[in-house]
Amino acid sequence: SAVISQKPSRDICQRGTSLTIQCQVDSQVTMMFWYRQQPGQSLTLIATANQGSEATYESGFVIDKFPISRPNLTFSTLTVSNMSPEDSSIYLCSVEDFIGGTGDGYTFGSGTRLTVV
Amino acid sequence: AQRVTQPEKLLSVFKGAPVELKCNYSYSGSPELFWYVQYSRQRLQLLLRHISRESIKGFTADLNKGETSFHLKKPFAQEEDSAMYYCALNKGNNRLAFGKGNQVVVIP
Repeated sequence: SAVISQKPSRDICQRGTSLTIQCQVDSQVTMMFWYRQQPGQSLTLIATANQGSEATYESGFVIDKFPISRPNLTFSTLTVSNMSPEDSSIYLCSVEDFIGGTGDGYTFGSGTRLTVV
Repeated sequence: AQRVTQPEKLLSVFKGAPVELKCNYSYSGSPELFWYVQYSRQRLQLLLRHISRESIKGFTADLNKGETSFHLKKPFAQEEDSAMYYCALNKGNNRLAFGKGNQVVVIP
Protein backbone atom coordinates (compact mmCIF):
# COMPACT_ATOMS: atom_id res chain seq x y z
CA SER A 1 0.00 0.00 0.00
CA ALA A 2 0.98 3.63 -0.45
CA VAL A 3 3.13 5.42 2.11
CA ILE A 4 2.09 8.96 2.95
CA SER A 5 4.35 11.56 4.53
CA GLN A 6 2.55 14.53 5.98
CA LYS A 7 4.26 17.66 7.27
CA PRO A 8 4.25 19.30 9.72
CA SER A 9 3.07 16.77 12.26
CA ARG A 10 1.92 19.53 14.57
CA ASP A 11 2.01 23.29 14.87
CA ILE A 12 0.83 26.08 17.10
CA CYS A 13 -0.16 29.17 15.16
CA GLN A 14 -1.35 32.67 15.89
CA ARG A 15 -4.84 33.63 14.85
CA GLY A 16 -4.99 35.46 11.57
CA THR A 17 -2.02 33.62 10.09
CA SER A 18 -1.96 30.79 7.56
CA LEU A 19 -0.44 27.33 7.61
CA THR A 20 0.36 25.11 4.65
CA ILE A 21 0.31 21.36 5.16
CA GLN A 22 2.15 19.08 2.77
CA CYS A 23 1.24 15.56 1.72
CA GLN A 24 3.76 13.43 -0.16
CA VAL A 25 2.94 9.95 -1.47
CA ASP A 26 5.55 7.39 -2.46
CA SER A 27 3.64 6.39 -5.60
CA GLN A 28 1.47 8.07 -8.18
CA VAL A 29 -2.16 8.18 -7.13
CA THR A 30 -5.14 9.48 -8.98
CA MET A 31 -7.18 10.67 -6.06
CA MET A 32 -6.05 12.59 -2.98
CA PHE A 33 -8.33 13.87 -0.27
CA TRP A 34 -8.11 16.22 2.68
CA TYR A 35 -10.04 15.59 5.90
CA ARG A 36 -10.45 17.46 9.14
CA GLN A 37 -10.99 15.97 12.57
CA GLN A 38 -12.07 18.50 15.14
CA PRO A 39 -11.51 17.71 18.82
CA GLY A 40 -13.76 14.89 19.93
CA GLN A 41 -15.35 14.65 16.50
CA SER A 42 -15.20 12.32 13.55
CA LEU A 43 -13.45 12.92 10.25
CA THR A 44 -15.05 15.32 7.81
CA LEU A 45 -14.02 15.55 4.18
CA ILE A 46 -12.83 19.01 3.18
CA ALA A 47 -12.08 18.50 -0.49
CA THR A 48 -10.80 16.26 -3.24
CA ALA A 49 -7.47 17.43 -4.64
CA ASN A 50 -7.53 17.07 -8.41
CA GLN A 51 -4.35 16.98 -10.41
CA GLY A 52 -4.33 19.64 -13.09
CA SER A 53 -7.56 21.31 -12.03
CA GLU A 54 -9.16 23.03 -9.08
CA ALA A 55 -10.01 21.06 -5.98
CA THR A 56 -13.59 19.96 -5.43
CA TYR A 57 -14.87 21.23 -2.08
CA GLU A 58 -17.51 19.71 0.14
CA SER A 59 -20.44 21.70 1.44
CA GLY A 60 -19.31 24.11 4.11
CA PHE A 61 -15.73 24.42 2.86
CA VAL A 62 -14.49 27.10 0.47
CA ILE A 63 -11.37 27.67 -1.56
CA ASP A 64 -10.58 31.02 0.03
CA LYS A 65 -10.34 29.41 3.44
CA PHE A 66 -8.73 26.11 2.40
CA PRO A 67 -6.79 26.59 -0.84
CA ILE A 68 -5.40 23.32 -2.18
CA SER A 69 -2.66 22.60 -4.67
CA ARG A 70 -2.05 19.36 -6.57
CA PRO A 71 0.90 19.95 -8.88
CA ASN A 72 1.50 16.28 -9.67
CA LEU A 73 0.30 12.76 -8.90
CA THR A 74 2.39 12.36 -5.72
CA PHE A 75 2.00 15.67 -3.90
CA SER A 76 -0.62 18.02 -2.54
CA THR A 77 -0.83 20.91 -0.11
CA LEU A 78 -3.67 22.24 2.00
CA THR A 79 -3.50 25.78 3.36
CA VAL A 80 -5.58 26.85 6.33
CA SER A 81 -5.98 30.59 5.83
CA ASN A 82 -6.69 33.41 8.25
CA MET A 83 -6.85 30.97 11.12
CA SER A 84 -9.09 31.24 14.15
CA PRO A 85 -9.23 28.99 17.23
CA GLU A 86 -12.13 27.11 15.59
CA ASP A 87 -9.65 25.81 13.02
CA SER A 88 -7.82 23.86 15.71
CA SER A 89 -8.09 20.31 14.42
CA ILE A 90 -6.20 17.39 13.04
CA TYR A 91 -5.89 17.65 9.27
CA LEU A 92 -5.37 14.42 7.35
CA CYS A 93 -4.37 13.58 3.83
CA SER A 94 -5.76 10.42 2.25
CA VAL A 95 -5.29 8.57 -1.03
CA GLU A 96 -7.17 5.86 -2.82
CA ASP A 97 -5.05 2.78 -2.54
CA PHE A 98 -4.83 -0.93 -3.06
CA ILE A 99 -4.29 -2.45 0.36
CA GLY A 100 -3.13 -6.02 0.35
CA GLY A 101 -5.59 -8.49 1.80
CA THR A 102 -8.51 -6.15 1.70
CA GLY A 103 -8.40 -4.75 -1.81
CA ASP A 104 -9.12 -1.15 -2.63
CA GLY A 105 -9.39 1.26 0.24
CA TYR A 106 -8.02 4.54 1.41
CA THR A 107 -4.72 5.12 3.15
CA PHE A 108 -4.34 8.01 5.55
CA GLY A 109 -1.41 10.13 6.57
CA SER A 110 -0.48 10.51 10.21
CA GLY A 111 -2.14 13.90 10.35
CA THR A 112 -1.21 17.46 11.25
CA ARG A 113 -2.34 18.58 14.68
CA LEU A 114 -3.03 22.29 14.46
CA THR A 115 -3.62 24.51 17.47
CA VAL A 116 -4.60 28.12 16.88
CA VAL A 117 -4.05 30.52 19.75
CA ALA B 1 -28.36 12.52 2.47
CA GLN B 2 -25.49 10.12 2.89
CA ARG B 3 -24.91 9.48 6.55
CA VAL B 4 -23.24 6.99 8.87
CA THR B 5 -24.47 6.46 12.41
CA GLN B 6 -22.50 4.79 15.18
CA PRO B 7 -24.69 5.04 18.26
CA GLU B 8 -22.34 4.16 21.08
CA LYS B 9 -19.38 6.36 21.78
CA LEU B 10 -17.64 4.15 24.33
CA LEU B 11 -17.78 0.39 24.62
CA SER B 12 -16.09 -1.50 27.43
CA VAL B 13 -15.83 -5.27 27.22
CA PHE B 14 -13.97 -7.92 29.14
CA LYS B 15 -11.23 -9.87 27.45
CA GLY B 16 -12.69 -12.96 25.83
CA ALA B 17 -16.19 -11.50 25.61
CA PRO B 18 -17.86 -10.83 22.27
CA VAL B 19 -17.83 -7.33 20.90
CA GLU B 20 -20.24 -5.78 18.42
CA LEU B 21 -20.00 -2.27 17.07
CA LYS B 22 -23.11 -0.99 15.39
CA CYS B 23 -23.09 0.97 12.19
CA ASN B 24 -26.13 2.12 10.23
CA TYR B 25 -26.00 4.06 7.02
CA SER B 26 -28.18 6.16 4.79
CA TYR B 27 -27.43 5.95 1.08
CA SER B 28 -29.65 5.85 -1.97
CA GLY B 29 -27.46 3.70 -4.19
CA SER B 30 -25.48 0.51 -3.72
CA PRO B 31 -23.30 1.22 -0.67
CA GLU B 32 -19.60 0.67 -0.29
CA LEU B 33 -18.73 0.41 3.38
CA PHE B 34 -15.57 0.22 5.43
CA TRP B 35 -14.41 -0.17 8.97
CA TYR B 36 -11.32 1.80 9.98
CA VAL B 37 -9.35 1.42 13.19
CA GLN B 38 -7.02 3.79 15.00
CA TYR B 39 -4.82 2.34 17.71
CA SER B 40 -3.24 4.62 20.28
CA ARG B 41 -0.62 6.88 18.72
CA GLN B 42 -1.03 5.31 15.30
CA ARG B 43 -2.59 6.52 12.11
CA LEU B 44 -6.00 5.54 10.88
CA GLN B 45 -5.90 2.24 9.02
CA LEU B 46 -8.33 0.15 7.06
CA LEU B 47 -9.66 -2.84 8.97
CA LEU B 48 -12.03 -4.31 6.43
CA ARG B 49 -14.40 -3.48 3.62
CA HIS B 50 -17.68 -5.17 2.89
CA ILE B 51 -16.73 -6.26 -0.63
CA SER B 52 -13.81 -8.36 0.58
CA ARG B 53 -16.00 -10.39 2.95
CA GLU B 54 -12.87 -11.40 4.83
CA SER B 55 -12.13 -11.78 8.51
CA ILE B 56 -9.36 -9.44 9.59
CA LYS B 57 -7.86 -9.84 13.09
CA GLY B 58 -10.90 -11.94 13.93
CA PHE B 59 -13.34 -9.18 12.98
CA THR B 60 -16.16 -9.62 10.51
CA ALA B 61 -18.82 -7.29 9.22
CA ASP B 62 -21.83 -8.17 7.13
CA LEU B 63 -23.70 -5.73 5.00
CA ASN B 64 -27.44 -5.93 5.63
CA LYS B 65 -29.16 -3.81 3.02
CA GLY B 66 -32.60 -4.45 4.51
CA GLU B 67 -31.56 -2.97 7.84
CA THR B 68 -29.02 -0.59 6.25
CA SER B 69 -26.43 -1.86 8.69
CA PHE B 70 -22.79 -2.89 8.63
CA HIS B 71 -22.11 -4.01 12.19
CA LEU B 72 -18.60 -5.07 13.20
CA LYS B 73 -18.25 -8.21 15.29
CA LYS B 74 -15.61 -10.25 17.01
CA PRO B 75 -16.46 -13.31 19.09
CA PHE B 76 -13.62 -13.00 21.60
CA ALA B 77 -12.14 -9.59 22.37
CA GLN B 78 -8.43 -9.25 22.99
CA GLU B 79 -6.60 -6.50 24.84
CA GLU B 80 -4.94 -5.40 21.61
CA ASP B 81 -8.38 -4.64 20.19
CA SER B 82 -8.59 -1.54 22.37
CA ALA B 83 -8.80 1.27 19.84
CA MET B 84 -11.06 3.75 18.11
CA TYR B 85 -13.23 2.24 15.38
CA TYR B 86 -14.87 4.21 12.57
CA CYS B 87 -17.47 3.06 10.11
CA ALA B 88 -17.24 4.81 6.75
CA LEU B 89 -19.36 5.03 3.61
CA ASN B 90 -18.22 5.89 0.10
CA LYS B 91 -20.70 8.64 -0.68
CA GLY B 92 -19.65 8.81 -4.31
CA ASN B 93 -16.46 9.59 -6.22
CA ASN B 94 -14.44 7.88 -3.49
CA ARG B 95 -15.38 10.51 -0.91
CA LEU B 96 -15.82 8.96 2.52
CA ALA B 97 -18.41 9.86 5.13
CA PHE B 98 -17.40 8.71 8.59
CA GLY B 99 -19.42 7.85 11.65
CA LYS B 100 -18.54 9.42 14.96
CA GLY B 101 -16.54 6.41 16.01
CA ASN B 102 -16.55 3.91 18.86
CA GLN B 103 -13.89 3.88 21.55
CA VAL B 104 -13.42 0.24 22.51
CA VAL B 105 -11.75 -0.60 25.81
CA VAL B 106 -10.98 -4.25 26.47
CA ILE B 107 -10.68 -4.94 30.18
CA PRO B 108 -8.11 -7.61 31.09
